[in-house]
Amino acid sequence: GAGVSQSPSNKVTEKGKDVELRCDPISGHTALYWYRQSLGQGLEFLIYFQGNSAPDKSGLPSDRFSAERTGGSVSTLTIQRTQQEDSAVYLCASSPTRDTQYFGPGTRLTVL
Amino acid sequence: GIQVEQSPPDLILQEGANSTLRCNFSDSVNNLQWFHQNPWGQLINLFYIPSGTKQNGRLSATTVATERYSLLYISSSQTTDSGVYFCAVPGNTGKLIFGQGTTLQVKP
Repeated sequence: GAGVSQSPSNKVTEKGKDVELRCDPISGHTALYWYRQSLGQGLEFLIYFQGNSAPDKSGLPSDRFSAERTGGSVSTLTIQRTQQEDSAVYLCASSPTRDTQYFGPGTRLTVL
Repeated sequence: GIQVEQSPPDLILQEGANSTLRCNFSDSVNNLQWFHQNPWGQLINLFYIPSGTKQNGRLSATTVATERYSLLYISSSQTTDSGVYFCAVPGNTGKLIFGQGTTLQVKP
């Protein structure tokens, strides 16, 4: 079946602009995670959604970052007033439980 | 929080050689995943292995949970095995905590 999809695959923006990144999880997966992969920082957790529970936002690096998950399916990660240090690959993963996570191809964000 | 360390950080092999990658973690865990990140950045699931040994073709993995380590074995390596190998364990709420990865280059 279809895997996790993310869009856009690449995004170039100017410093100070807002961006929205989209994640379509595997159908039926109740858990959805966002991670960020930066040069020199490895893979970092950002935010976690599980069903209708309040999301775990403990990994968001600043209040410029927010995410929502509508209808328990698609998720959007929004970065406001982007900074150059936000440049990274943003990865989304979904899971049917809290076990195996399946990752999408990522969105490469470049802030000029 | 839990710490995950991988070794070696870099590995260069000749095609056909075997290798062992190691993942140490600082606290007890109830699952562990190995991933291969290909040159296009995609994270591919290799193993979900909280304990014991699993094999998939030329790859196998062993996790000794009581001693807090996991090993990934690659036999008869091929150039397509090149990339970065990550292990990851769950923190609270199931979020994955990743090691820094082992970058593997297999030369023809």
